[in-house]
Amino acid sequence: GAVVSQHPSRVICKSGTSVKIECRSLDFQATTMFWYRQFPKQSLMLMATSNEGSKATYEQGVEKDKFLINHASLTLSTLTVTSAHPEDSSFYICSARTITSGDYNEQFFGPGTRLTVL
Amino acid sequence: GQNIDQPTEMTATEGAIVQINCTYQTSGFNGLFWYQQHAGEAPTFLSYNVLDGLEEKGRFSSFLSRSKGYSYLLLKELQMKDSASYLCAGLDSNYQLIWGAGTKLIIKP
Repeated sequence: GAVVSQHPSRVICKSGTSVKIECRSLDFQATTMFWYRQFPKQSLMLMATSNEGSKATYEQGVEKDKFLINHASLTLSTLTVTSAHPEDSSFYICSARTITSGDYNEQFFGPGTRLTVL
Repeated sequence: GQNIDQPTEMTATEGAIVQINCTYQTSGFNGLFWYQQHAGEAPTFLSYNVLDGLEEKGRFSSFLSRSKGYSYLLLKELQMKDSASYLCAGLDSNYQLIWGAGTKLIIKP
């Protein structure tokens, strides 16, 4: 099956620093990648949809200047949390949708990145 | 608005059967997904339904009724490793996944 990796799996940083999270589709080309955030005991919340070679589409309430998304190739998207604050501590998950994913456009999920901002 | 409803928590016994229900309201409909998520991990795909009826896949089955905006996930011969959250997600007309809050399933010996 399609594999998506994320790096790092866990990161702890100081308040005010920036953190970059990478999402890679390892064995397929992803025209679209999605970034989600999940707080404890809550559902996945879509932050943004990223299409290769174009600007990301952010969901309402998500600050695009704070959460910078770059989708430079068909296998890599990055999320940079700028000037991180403790309230940004969360589980960040990316998913990728293939070009030839069939009729139902299945999303394949990365393993997630646990961000803790001190 | 778009909404996915599912129970917050369910408890079942090892070896038994459990049914997790989900009702949905989406702008357009391109299918219904079920995912399993263990604590601290990303979701993993379980099933996809776009036509009415029951899809069986080993111990897990998923049912869809489009007229009722209703789906369920049926888990048979429950094992302790099935303890997890089960997420129902609808695919809307823009092919965006609309997520439910998840049902935490607790399996007791």
